[in-house]
Amino acid sequence: EVQLVESGGGLVQPGGSLRLSCAASRFSFRSYDISWVRQAPGKGLEWVSGISGGGGTTYYVDSVKGRFTVSRDNSLNTVYLQMNSLRAEDTAIYYCAKGQYSVYGPFDDWGQGTLVTVSS
Amino acid sequence: EIVLTQSPVTLSLSPGERATLSCRASQSVSTYLAWYQQKPGQAPRLLIYDASNRATGIPARFSGSGSGTDFILTISSLEPEDFAVYYCQQRNNWPPTFGQGTKLEIK
Repeated sequence: EVQLVESGGGLVQPGGSLRLSCAASRFSFRSYDISWVRQAPGKGLEWVSGISGGGGTTYYVDSVKGRFTVSRDNSLNTVYLQMNSLRAEDTAIYYCAKGQYSVYGPFDDWGQGTLVTVSS
Repeated sequence: EIVLTQSPVTLSLSPGERATLSCRASQSVSTYLAWYQQKPGQAPRLLIYDASNRATGIPARFSGSGSGTDFILTISSLEPEDFAVYYCQQRNNWPPTFGQGTKLEIK
């Protein structure tokens, strides 16, 4: 069974930084694009960022462009999301999700999520 | 950006009844539409992809239909574990977007 495990969330002040990790196992990691999808408390789902299987192409929603950077280390089966200049509106549970076909989705496997809280 | 509008926002039904959930796109997404189920405290789970294909392990009572701008998720006979929030998601246009969700609650 595919496993995706996020870590790195926590409480950070506005303007601060965090790096999230998504450790993957039990599938051919480098063959799949991985996306980050977030969910603000009590709200719906929002696609945030994605990275191709080889790591050569990255994608961002406009609201995080220039602040977030996605990367991956295929030798460690891990995807990262570096989040800088964090804002209150970035507060959410962040899920990593495996794209069945691409970073566009559909997302056939998800991690359990990691909570990021941006507050002073 | 394609906006997906789900209706109703809340659907109150009893176990054994048939559920019909709608997702309407602001422009055509062809058949590149997926449905997810999310229970409290859990990650979303893929139910249907490309409008009508059940994901691995999804029971046959779940079915999807539609193309272009109008899509339907049908649950033929509700089981107690089906009460949850359901989201649609399109992958036809950049960026991928989700609907706002339909909460399926027990009547």
